[in-house]
Amino acid sequence: AQKVTQAQTEISVVEKEDVTLDCVYETRDTTYYLFWYKQPPSGELVFLIRRNSFDEQNEISGRYSWNFQKSTSSFNFTITASQVVDSAVYFCALENAGGTSYGKLTFGQGTILTVHP
Amino acid sequence: DAGVIQSPRHEVTEMGQEVTLRCKPISGHDYLFWYRQTMMRGLELLIYFNNNVPIDDSGMPEDRFSAKMPNASFSTLKIQPSEPRDSAVYFCASSFSSPRNTEAFFGQGTRLTVV
Repeated sequence: AQKVTQAQTEISVVEKEDVTLDCVYETRDTTYYLFWYKQPPSGELVFLIRRNSFDEQNEISGRYSWNFQKSTSSFNFTITASQVVDSAVYFCALENAGGTSYGKLTFGQGTILTVHP
Repeated sequence: DAGVIQSPRHEVTEMGQEVTLRCKPISGHDYLFWYRQTMMRGLELLIYFNNNVPIDDSGMPEDRFSAKMPNASFSTLKIQPSEPRDSAVYFCASSFSSPRNTEAFFGQGTRLTVV
């Protein structure tokens, strides 16, 4: 069985603050992918990143960075110098690789991020 | 490419009526997924197809729900008869079975309200 837990239901910050969204996952598979999706107020789901279970290197993309730690089964997401446009619901998701499970995602419950001006 | 296209964007229907949601995946993608998003259950997978064939429908809540994919460019999710508890946002997503790029691309969703 797979499970993704985002313990933070809601986070509120003031613009320019750094914020970290936590994600912890459970899977019995050795090969899997981890994802973050953003759901802005308009409702669509926007892909942010995919991480392979064999690649524990941290990744940075502009103000976004991701910390993958297999030892703690965590895949945390940090936004540096947050902006009002970052306000959204963020979902962490897990996909077991191989077989017929391409794109079959198990989502966490989501974290509502509100960035105040 | 226009991305995954879902229609309608919003649907309001009366309890007991049949509802059909439509999806056009990204051209060339061989996987298609139907997800449902509710406050109580979050995002959950209902059913997915590979090369137009249903692979796993274990997430379909009950027999009132059915999904079809008659060709590579079109899928429907039907609810008959609809009930108020079916009110949710229904997302369609598609992906391509490449080991290098397996992220699912989502449509904008259909917000269904059953009154």
